[in-house]
Amino acid sequence: DAGVIQSPRHEVTEMGQEVTLRCKPISGHNSLFWYRQTMMRGLELLIYFNNNVPIDDSGMPEDRFSAKMPNASFSTLKIQPSEPRDSAVYFCASRGGTGRETQYFGPGTRLLVL
Amino acid sequence: GQSLEQPSEVTAVEGAIVQINCTYQTSGFYGLSWYQQHDGGAPTFLSYNALDGLEETGRFSSFLSRSDSYGYLLLQELQMKDSASYFCAVRPRGNDMRFGAGTRLTVKP
Repeated sequence: DAGVIQSPRHEVTEMGQEVTLRCKPISGHNSLFWYRQTMMRGLELLIYFNNNVPIDDSGMPEDRFSAKMPNASFSTLKIQPSEPRDSAVYFCASRGGTGRETQYFGPGTRLLVL
Repeated sequence: GQSLEQPSEVTAVEGAIVQINCTYQTSGFYGLSWYQQHDGGAPTFLSYNALDGLEETGRFSSFLSRSDSYGYLLLQELQMKDSASYFCAVRPRGNDMRFGAGTRLTVKP
């Protein structure tokens, strides 16, 4: 299995631009999570989906952030407009199958907003 | 809400044993997990405790006491490659997961 796939791996953009992060979960996993990691705030859960349905988006910082999961093999996290304080590493993780307690993380997208 | 407390840093020497503690306060509780993260990498799963007691996986063991809202990760025969950040995480309900701030372990020769 290829594991969780995220793209892009690195993104540098200017303040005000739209940023779209992409994630392909492990095939057969039915839960998908988006996290943000910074030195100041640690690893924060932004939103998670179960069977493609958003269950809890209370961690989404504000309306500039949105996430979708149109099908079981693809999810996006969009920031519009982006701000310098959004600079962080964004991880996608999936869970399901036989290892139901294990979340498998993607390599992350390192976002820098100038 | 949920809160998890773990030490920010721990230092130990190669071959030693180190214990990383985690205390939690949650509105619900399904289990306690531990993840390892090397610098520049992604978190990777180490262990999970849903019931009281000790779970052993090779050099790593994890313990849970639900009555004390407390758990720990025990790393034995430390190796240089164990230098990383270690996160405890709880499942307060359903599918979500909340992570602690992480403990940075430095293993010295």
